[in-house]
Amino acid sequence: DTAVSQTPKYLVTQMGNDKSIKCEQNLGHDTMYWYKQDSKKFLKIMFSYNNKELIINETVPNRFSPKSPDKAHLNLHINSLELGDSAVYFCASSPQGRGEQYFGPGTRLTVT
Amino acid sequence: TQLLEQSPQFLSIQEGENLTVYCNSSSVFSSLQWYRQEPGEGPVLLVTVVTGGEVKKLKRLTFQFGDARKDSSLHITAAQPGDTGLYLCAGDMGRRALTFGSGTRLQVQP
Repeated sequence: DTAVSQTPKYLVTQMGNDKSIKCEQNLGHDTMYWYKQDSKKFLKIMFSYNNKELIINETVPNRFSPKSPDKAHLNLHINSLELGDSAVYFCASSPQGRGEQYFGPGTRLTVT
Repeated sequence: TQLLEQSPQFLSIQEGENLTVYCNSSSVFSSLQWYRQEPGEGPVLLVTVVTGGEVKKLKRLTFQFGDARKDSSLHITAAQPGDTGLYLCAGDMGRRALTFGSGTRLQVQP
C-alpha cells in the first residue's frame, strides 16, 4: 500500500499552459506539504497545510495555488507555466506536532 | 545563503571504506533528521535526533547531533554499494516545515 502517492509521475507541457498535480496520503497524518527540488537537488518548502488549513506559504509565485479538499489530499495547480518551473515536485505528510516527514515519489515537471 | 550546509557535496569511495558526512548551521534546531534519496524516488527518513549530543545507530550508520543542536554528522562504516544515494539532512525549527541541507551525493564502488 502506497503511503503518499502523487500523480502524474511525469508531466511535460508547454509554456503558458495550466497543469495540476495530485497528492494523496493514507497515513492519517494531519499535515501535508509541497516541496520543489531543483536540478541541484535542493529541496525547498513551498506550502504546508494542517487539517485543510494553509499554515506555510513560502515566497512562491501566485501562479501556484494549493488546494486541500480534505486532510488526506493536497493538490497543486500551476497557472501560466514558465521554463523556470521545471523541477521535481514532492508531496509529503507528517503526523501532528512531529517533524519527520513521509514523501511521495515526486512529479517531474518539464516545461518546454 | 544555505541555512544548512552539507559537506562534502560529492563522495565516491570503494566498498568497505568508512566515511563521514557533515551538516552544519548557525541556527539551533529542535530536531534534525537525515534522509536518503535514490534516483526517481522521494527522500526516505533514516533517523531523527532531538537531544544535543545524542548518538543514534542504524546498523552501519551512526548519527550524532551536536551539543548545541546546530550541527550533525552521519558516519557510515564499511560502506556498501547499497548505500549509494543522496543524503539529506533537514532541520526542524518548529515551523511545521523542514529546512533541508544542500545534500551529499554518495557513490560506493563495488
